[in-house]
Amino acid sequence: KAGVTQTPRYLIKTRGQQVTLSCSPISGHRSVSWYQQTPGQGLQFLFEYFSETQRNKGNFPGRFSGRQFSNSRSEMNVSTLELGDSALYLCASSLDGGDYGYTFGSGTRLTVV
Amino acid sequence: QKEVEQNSGPLSVPEGAIASLNCTYSDRGSQSFFWYRQYSGKSPELIMFIYSNGDKEDGRFTAQLNKASQYVSLLIRDSQPSDSATYLCAVEGYSTLTFGKGTMLLVSP
Repeated sequence: KAGVTQTPRYLIKTRGQQVTLSCSPISGHRSVSWYQQTPGQGLQFLFEYFSETQRNKGNFPGRFSGRQFSNSRSEMNVSTLELGDSALYLCASSLDGGDYGYTFGSGTRLTVV
Repeated sequence: QKEVEQNSGPLSVPEGAIASLNCTYSDRGSQSFFWYRQYSGKSPELIMFIYSNGDKEDGRFTAQLNKASQYVSLLIRDSQPSDSATYLCAVEGYSTLTFGKGTMLLVSP
């Protein structure tokens, strides 16, 4: 059974650019969540999608957005990148919310220079 | 604002000992609780989840939940050097996870 696949693994961008990250959940999982991990703030929730609908959103600026496709794959977009956006971005999939836990992908390491 | 508190550590234990990791949470209405292990440079890996008061055992791991005290713990028996990692406590609500900052565990041979 394939796990959660995130692409790309590493990304270097310049301030002001935008970036799109991709996440393919475990087959059959319909919920996809995105988290940002930094040394100072730890893991913070960005948003959660279920059946192409955003169900929950964390406390991040509007520069952070996402979407989910009919095959449950999800993308996350960050516009007008700032240095502080440098982080590990993790995608987690679950059947429907957290009843049986969330499985994380390997993450995308974003560096903004 | 939901909060999850963990001692950052490091918690140092010798090989073969019991490691005890603790977590408190602020939202009394929380129902689902998770322990993740994260090795340096890797993504979090689910170890255990617990929903009911009491103990839940899985191999060398035991999760304990006390909703009245808003307290969750993870016991690791017969600790191994390979258990050295950061352990993250997470509380679930409305399909989102609120994480503690994690406790670093160091198991010395």
